[in-house]
Amino acid sequence: EVQLVQSGADVKKPGESLKISCKGFEYSFTNYWIAWVRQMPGKGLEWMGTIYPGNSDTRYSPSFQGQVTISADKSISTANLQWGSLKASDSAMYYCARQRSGFNLDMDYDYWGQGTLVTVSS
Amino acid sequence: EIVLTQSPATLSLSPGERATLSCRTSQSVSIYLAWYQQKPGQAPRLLIYDASNRATGIPARFSGSGSGTDFTLTISSLEPEDFAVYYCQQRYLWPPITFGQGTRLEIK
Repeated sequence: EVQLVQSGADVKKPGESLKISCKGFEYSFTNYWIAWVRQMPGKGLEWMGTIYPGNSDTRYSPSFQGQVTISADKSISTANLQWGSLKASDSAMYYCARQRSGFNLDMDYDYWGQGTLVTVSS
Repeated sequence: EIVLTQSPATLSLSPGERATLSCRTSQSVSIYLAWYQQKPGQAPRLLIYDASNRATGIPARFSGSGSGTDFTLTISSLEPEDFAVYYCQQRYLWPPITFGQGTRLEIK
């Protein structure tokens, strides 16, 4: 069964760095784009960016470009989302999601991780 | 960036009734629109892709229609487990992929 398993919840202080992860199981990790989606408390879904693990091609939303870094390590079937300096406004649930059909640029998402809650507070 | 506007914001219905949710896009997205369901504390679940195709395992009471800028998600007869928040999403022009703000379907 295809699964995306995300790293656990984290509590950080403003200015600290953080990397969260998303590990894929039971599918060819290199052949499907993985996206990161933010959901702030009580709000909707915001697409942050995506990576193709096969060649590390990465695309960002203009709203998140320069604010986060998306990476992947295909040797361990893991995608990552990273902040260099967190802000209180980064407090949110973060989901990874796999595109429905691989080998193309069709970006809708049929498998989702369970979410990683990030809390940034002094 | 393509903006998606969902209506209504909240829909109050009873089990067994028919639900009709709307998504309008700021420019044509052809048929490249998806619908997701999200329940409290859960990740979103893909229901419909390419405007009218049900995703794997989605019950037949869920259907999607539309093209261009106007799309509809219909739930033919509401089950108790269908009360949730629904989002539309376009993939026609990206980055960024964009979502609507959501419609909350609540029990009347």
